[in-house]
Amino acid sequence: DTEVTQTPKHLVMGMTNKKSLKCEQHMGHRAMYWYKQKAKKPPELMFVYSYEKLSINESVPSRFSPECPNSSLLNLHLHALQPEDSALYLCASSQGTGTNEQFFGPGTRLTVL
Amino acid sequence: QQQVKQSPQSLIVQKGGISIINCAYENTAFDYFPWYQQFPGKGPALLIAIRPDVSEKKEGRFTISFNKSAKQFSLHIMDSQPGDSATYFCAASITGGYQKVTFGTGTKLQVIP
Repeated sequence: DTEVTQTPKHLVMGMTNKKSLKCEQHMGHRAMYWYKQKAKKPPELMFVYSYEKLSINESVPSRFSPECPNSSLLNLHLHALQPEDSALYLCASSQGTGTNEQFFGPGTRLTVL
Repeated sequence: QQQVKQSPQSLIVQKGGISIINCAYENTAFDYFPWYQQFPGKGPALLIAIRPDVSEKKEGRFTISFNKSAKQFSLHIMDSQPGDSATYFCAASITGGYQKVTFGTGTKLQVIP
């Protein structure tokens, strides 16, 4: 299985809602990533988990809260988002240190009203 | 110094023609240079990648040319097909650590019949 899955595919939420994005991989990868992608822009790194520990937080606002319950799962908890947070949220995974190839999921299209 | 510059921003090529996308980088510590292909509404998919000890890598119709001294690399798509119409991102990263990928700004390729 060489796939990264993400749910939901689409999400519409109000600024006062709390929601979560989910990502799953069964490739035995030990590094997982959250990216944010705005239209016509490259993905921007948000968080990196390595061996289930948060390794990189790219100065992301606290209204985004990542969680890695186990080596296969990655969640992104959303609370009190702003309309400018509307974007495609991508999850990726890689084998770990020493290998560079990242596998991306299809993304969750988030709209904040 | 972390930037990867990519050109052109958009490209229109006739079916059967050659598509060429160029990228340049500054950070000489980069040692892995992937190209990602992204279709609308999908996550980026790794297309082909190269390391600086090789000047060229070919996979099917896709070729990366790498010029270490000029700190430039390019993607050539031979016999371009309408199905190649997508956005292409060059990228660079450093092996080891947390593999933060620096993406280029993207090139939207349209192959017309």
